[in-house]
Amino acid sequence: AQSVAQPEDQVNVAEGNPLTVKCTYSVSGNPYLFWYVQYPNRGLQFLLKYITGDNLVKGSYGFEAEFNKSQTSFHLKKPSALVSDSALYFCAVRDRGAGGYIKLIFGAGTRLAVHP
Amino acid sequence: EAGVAQSPRYKIIEKRQSVAFWCNPISGHATLYWYQQILGQGPKLLIQFQNNGVVDDSQLPKDRFSAERLKGVDSTLKIQPAKLEDSAVYLCASGTPGQNTDTQYFGPGTRLTVL
Repeated sequence: AQSVAQPEDQVNVAEGNPLTVKCTYSVSGNPYLFWYVQYPNRGLQFLLKYITGDNLVKGSYGFEAEFNKSQTSFHLKKPSALVSDSALYFCAVRDRGAGGYIKLIFGAGTRLAVHP
Repeated sequence: EAGVAQSPRYKIIEKRQSVAFWCNPISGHATLYWYQQILGQGPKLLIQFQNNGVVDDSQLPKDRFSAERLKGVDSTLKIQPAKLEDSAVYLCASGTPGQNTDTQYFGPGTRLTVL
């Protein structure tokens, strides 16, 4: 079965510093990987995805993610953090259900706190 | 483009009571998902519809949870009777998987507290 792991419950970073939120995956076949962000009392918002091609994927709000096949990782990055980036971040992998339909398997989430 | 709508946003009930949640997906999205997000965990898929048919309900506790999607548009998720461990945020999402995009669009969720 496909799965993702987010090894850090919380990441703290100072505003203006680079940030990294980690994700590792375990899949059979080619991985289709996603990052979503959840602000307080809001639903999840899509940030970016990796399907194939360049290992560096650019997404919304200045975020990017680096796909590393040898390390089975898909870490989320941003060169300069903003206080408004403080939120809950979820890594996800595409899977197929019993009927062959596409679904997402989410990690447990990482809380990002950006301090002024 | 209007997003995924959900109601109510918050609900507090006593255990053994019943509760229902409503979702209106983005227009034209054939696939609709219901997720359960327990505090401190990632969303867990409960049920997936393709148009008005169920394609995956393997993680739905069918003794107490039920869901329907009438006419392939709006959907309701019901819990009867509720247990304490059902306290969670229930997220609805919609999308069009298989058309070169797997992006799901989420509603704001319904926060359920079972006392």
